[in-house]
Amino acid sequence: GIQVEQSPPDLILQEGANSTLRCNFSDSVNNLQWFHQNPWGQLINLFYIPSGTKQNGRLSATTVATERYSLLYISSSQTTDSGVYFCAVVRDDKIIFGKGTRLHILP
Amino acid sequence: GAGVSQSPSNKVTEKGKDVELRCDPISGHTALYWYRQSLGQGLEFLIYFQGNSAPDKSGLPSDRFSAERTGGSVSTLTIQRTQQEDSAVYLCASSFVQGFTEAFFGQGTRLTVV
Repeated sequence: GIQVEQSPPDLILQEGANSTLRCNFSDSVNNLQWFHQNPWGQLINLFYIPSGTKQNGRLSATTVATERYSLLYISSSQTTDSGVYFCAVVRDDKIIFGKGTRLHILP
Repeated sequence: GAGVSQSPSNKVTEKGKDVELRCDPISGHTALYWYRQSLGQGLEFLIYFQGNSAPDKSGLPSDRFSAERTGGSVSTLTIQRTQQEDSAVYLCASSFVQGFTEAFFGQGTRLTVV
C-alpha cells in the first residue's frame, strides 16, 4: 500500500522561530490534508491541498503532486502551535496518515 | 450539525462489558470513517461507510468490533466483550464524497477498559 512519511519526527523550537514540516508519499493520491492534533487530542483541519499552495495566517502549505511531497510552513511560532502535525492522503477509500511530527514550542 | 459530533466524550468500562460509541456526521456528508488512536500512537483505520454500506471492513481488529450506519447519517461502533487493549481514543470523520473532498474529525471518544 501507499506509504506516507513525515519528517522530522520531533522538532523543538523557541517561540518566534520558523519551521518546515515535510510529507512524502509513495504513490499518486486523490487528496492531501494537513491536521494539527492539539494537546487535548482534537484533530484540527489546517489545509486541504491536493496540489498548489495555500496560506492561512502564519501557516502555509505547498503540495507538488507530481513529485509526491507536501510541505507545511509555520512562521513566527507560538506556544499554541505545539502538538502533533499529521499529513493524510486518500487512497483506495481510506484516509492514510503519516506518523506525524511532534512540535514543541518553548516560551 | 455544525461539526462531527461523537458521544460519549469519555467512557470507562469494565473488562468483558459491551460498549457503543456514536458518531453524528456533518449534515449531507455521505462518507464516514472510524479510526482508533492508542496512547502516543498514530491513527489506525477501522472502517468507512459510503451511505449505509461499508465496502471495506478489513480494518476492524477482531470480530468483537462491529459498526453500522442507519439512514446514511449516524453511525455506531460496538465493541463486545471489551479487553484492556481496546483502551484508546476512537475518532470519527466525515466528508461529502469519499476520497475527493475534505474530511473533518469529531473530538473523539476516550475509552478506558479497567
